[in-house]
Amino acid sequence: DAKTTQPTSMDCAEGRAANLPCNHSTISGNEYVYWYRQIHSQGPQYIIHGLKNNETNEMASLIITEDRKSSTLILPHATLRDTAVYYCIVRPPLGDYKLSFGAGTTVTVRA
Amino acid sequence: DTGVSQNPRHKITKRGQNVTFRCDPISEHNRLYWYRQTLGQGPEFLTYFQNEAQLEKSRLLSDRFSAERPKGSFSTLEIQRTEQGDSAMYLCASSLSGGGGGANVLTFGAGSRLTVL
Repeated sequence: DAKTTQPTSMDCAEGRAANLPCNHSTISGNEYVYWYRQIHSQGPQYIIHGLKNNETNEMASLIITEDRKSSTLILPHATLRDTAVYYCIVRPPLGDYKLSFGAGTTVTVRA
Repeated sequence: DTGVSQNPRHKITKRGQNVTFRCDPISEHNRLYWYRQTLGQGPEFLTYFQNEAQLEKSRLLSDRFSAERPKGSFSTLEIQRTEQGDSAMYLCASSLSGGGGGANVLTFGAGSRLTVL
């Protein structure tokens, strides 16, 4: 799997956009970028995924650079409930299915 | 659909005892996964099933760990002769198979927390 690099932690003000970066410079052409988050004492929750185009859903937006070596997860209006560990994962669409979670980014949304 | 259900949510046991965790996946999902998570770390893959077939088990931590998914529905994860190092959160997830990146969209349960005294 392509390795990802994320900041260890970041703070965000409630109501503001949270921009979470992820570097994946060794990504292969068929590998997707996935984002999950894990709120304290809960299981991980899928947020969004993309291949090369920017994606948006009801939770977040995913911006992937043209060279696909990095991406940014955007939470448009962060709330206190968005405080969580956010994981960026790169995986091919087929083949073995071991999603590898790194340490992620601990995001703290402050009032 | 009530999502992925795991039981028990918490288990405290003494070293050397056997424990079993159950996972009920989303009913239409044919893939089921077990992960382990220790404090401060991301989830670590253990094993996965497609329907009733266990297609990957090399990451099970030792021969004390075993998993089953009879009839391709619920799954159980058993740990025999527990050790203090087995204390962790055990997470179950399920997904559909298929291409387009969707096979990696996993729905996780809330986990079963094991404490070995």
